[in-house]
Amino acid sequence: AQSVTQLDSQVPVFEEAPVELRCNYSSSVSVYLFWYVQYPNQGLQLLLKYLSGSTLVKSINGFEAEFNKSQTSFHLRKPSVHISDTAEYFCAVSDHVDYKLSFGAGTTVTVRA
Amino acid sequence: GAGVSQSPSNKVTEKGKDVELRCDPISGHTALYWYRQSLGQGLEFLIYFQGNSAPDKSGLPSDRFSAERTGGSVSTLTIQRTQQEDSAVYLCASSLAHQTGNTEAFFGQGTRLTVV
Repeated sequence: AQSVTQLDSQVPVFEEAPVELRCNYSSSVSVYLFWYVQYPNQGLQLLLKYLSGSTLVKSINGFEAEFNKSQTSFHLRKPSVHISDTAEYFCAVSDHVDYKLSFGAGTTVTVRA
Repeated sequence: GAGVSQSPSNKVTEKGKDVELRCDPISGHTALYWYRQSLGQGLEFLIYFQGNSAPDKSGLPSDRFSAERTGGSVSTLTIQRTQQEDSAVYLCASSLAHQTGNTEAFFGQGTRLTVV
């Protein structure tokens, strides 16, 4: 079984400032890692994922996350946020056999002008 | 439609009543998942379907919860004798295959259930 901890429940940030959302996981086996985003009044959308290969993965809207196996982390970063990045962000993990996603509690990012 | 559709979007019910939540997955997606998001908590896995079969029901919190899927498409989650602790957002997702590493799970907008 896996578990996910998102260390920050709320992250307020000013527009054009950088943001980092922390995610740590625990698992006794190799894992796949995901970040999902939920914009206000919308469903969950996949933001990016790590399956294998390069430990740095990027999304089309400027987010990136790095898989750190030794620290069991998958932190999400963006160097300069926009108002439109206001949303709730969920880190999730699954192992290489199980099909169930285990989610963290979520981090609410509020971007202010 | 092009995405996962859930109905109703909101449901208020009295304690002790039964409710049915519906999920229409993306056409052709063989895998279907139900999750629950309670206030202040992350998403909790409930049940998974591959076709019409449910190989994993381990997340269902009690025997008041059941789900079925017909025609490899629409799924219904039923909660009998609802309790206040059942209040949550119930999310449905579908994907092309059961291995999350191989394909993306697409989520519906959820049904917000309030038990009063």
